[in-house]
Amino acid sequence: AQSVTQPDIHITVSEGASLELRCNYSYGATPYLFWYVQSPGQGLQLLLKYFSGDTLVQGIKGFEAEFKRSQSSFNLRKPSVHWSDAAEYFCAVGRTGRRALTFGSGTRLQVQP
Amino acid sequence: DAGVIQSPRHEVTEMGQEVTLRCKPISGHDYLFWYRQTMMRGLELLIYFNNNVPIDDSGMPEDRFSAKMPNASFSTLKIQPSEPRDSAVYFCASSAGLAGGETQYFGPGTRLLVL
Repeated sequence: AQSVTQPDIHITVSEGASLELRCNYSYGATPYLFWYVQSPGQGLQLLLKYFSGDTLVQGIKGFEAEFKRSQSSFNLRKPSVHWSDAAEYFCAVGRTGRRALTFGSGTRLQVQP
Repeated sequence: DAGVIQSPRHEVTEMGQEVTLRCKPISGHDYLFWYRQTMMRGLELLIYFNNNVPIDDSGMPEDRFSAKMPNASFSTLKIQPSEPRDSAVYFCASSAGLAGGETQYFGPGTRLLVL
C-alpha cells in the first residue's frame, strides 16, 4: 500500500522568504502526486499535480514541486511567500487502479509579517 | 459549475441521534469520495463510488456508518447512532476520467459535533 510522510508538522516563515515543504512517499511504481492547500474552515484546493513527464511541475499561486524518484520525494516550493499563503498543506499520492488518494498528515504554514 | 456541494455545513447533535450528511458532486463526474478529517487521524478515506456503485468501503469505521449514492448527482453518508468520537469534518470530493491521476475536487466539508 502507498503511504505519504510530511515530516514537518508546523513551519513558520517570514513574508517574502522562500518556502519548501517536504513530502516523501512510498509506492512501488510511479505514483500520481498531488499538493492540496486548505485554508481555515475551507475545503481542499489543488495546487498542482504530477503524473508523468517533466518532473518540475508548476501550479497555481506561484507554487512549484519537483518529483525526485531517487529520493521518493515531491517537495513543494515557493520563492517568495505571501501572508495569504498561511494555511495547511497536504501532499497526497494515488496509483493506477485505485482512484482514492492517500494523504499525508499535513504541514501547517504560518507567515510572519 | 458550482463545485461540490455539501450540506449541512455544520451539524451539532446529541449522542445516539442519527446524522445524515449530503453531497452533490460536480456534474459529469463519475467518482465520488467521502473523507473524514480529525486531528488525531488526519484526512482518511471512508468510501468511494464509481458510477454510483461503491468500490471501496474499507475505510468505513463500523456498521454505524453507511453511504449511498442513489443517482449520479446525490450521495449521503449516514451515522446511526452517532457517538462523540464521530466528531470530525467530513469532506465529499468528486473526479472524472479513466486514466488515473485525475484531480479530486473537494466540497467545503460538514463540521460535525456529537455531544
